[in-house]
Amino acid sequence: EVQLLESGGGLVQPGGSLRLSCVASGFTFSLYAMSWVRQAPGKGLEWVSAFSGSAGRTYYAESVKGRFTISRDDSKNTLYLQMNSLRAEDTAVYYCAKDGSGSYAARKYYFDYWGQGTLVTVSS
Amino acid sequence: QSVLTQPPSVSGAPGQRVTISCTGSSPNIGAGYDVHWYQQLPETAPKLLIYGNNNRPSGVPDRFSGSKSGTSASLAITGLQAEDEADYYCQSYDSTLSGVVFGGGTKLTVL
Repeated sequence: EVQLLESGGGLVQPGGSLRLSCVASGFTFSLYAMSWVRQAPGKGLEWVSAFSGSAGRTYYAESVKGRFTISRDDSKNTLYLQMNSLRAEDTAVYYCAKDGSGSYAARKYYFDYWGQGTLVTVSS
Repeated sequence: QSVLTQPPSVSGAPGQRVTISCTGSSPNIGAGYDVHWYQQLPETAPKLLIYGNNNRPSGVPDRFSGSKSGTSASLAITGLQAEDEADYYCQSYDSTLSGVVFGGGTKLTVL
């Protein structure tokens, strides 16, 4: 059974930093691209970032480029999101999601499994 | 404002058929990129409903179907049930943004 478990969310002041983690199980983690998708309170879904499988490519939404860094440790089956220079508009539930296409190409990504999410609140 | 446009809400009575549209443009759906659909029940994570325009993952009832034409896509739900009440999102890829894009979401109400 595929499971994705996020952690690391919490309350942080504007300009601060936070690192999210997502531990995966139930599939060969290294073979799949993984993404972070967020959802602001009462709003829709917004893709944040992706890390391809063994190709090692990273992709970012314009709204987080230069502030967020995605990484992964395949030996620990873990995906990370380092978030710096946080803003109030980054407040959201952050979901970890597994790519279902099996492709290295972001243009083919879709998400067949999602974690339960972790809430990040940016406020003074 | 989302790159993919969905109606904010749709509704239908039990047993009826409803459709949810997802309108894009030439850099995304019109460029031939696949459209995928997700269902998000209240207070839960999204769940994959349709992938690759018209494919259902194992376990998704055949009451749910997807289609795509030109710069738009649609999700159809037949035999509407109370448990279908949820938010629905379409997703594709946009070559101008070089990233994954979602629709704004549609809230389905079962009357």
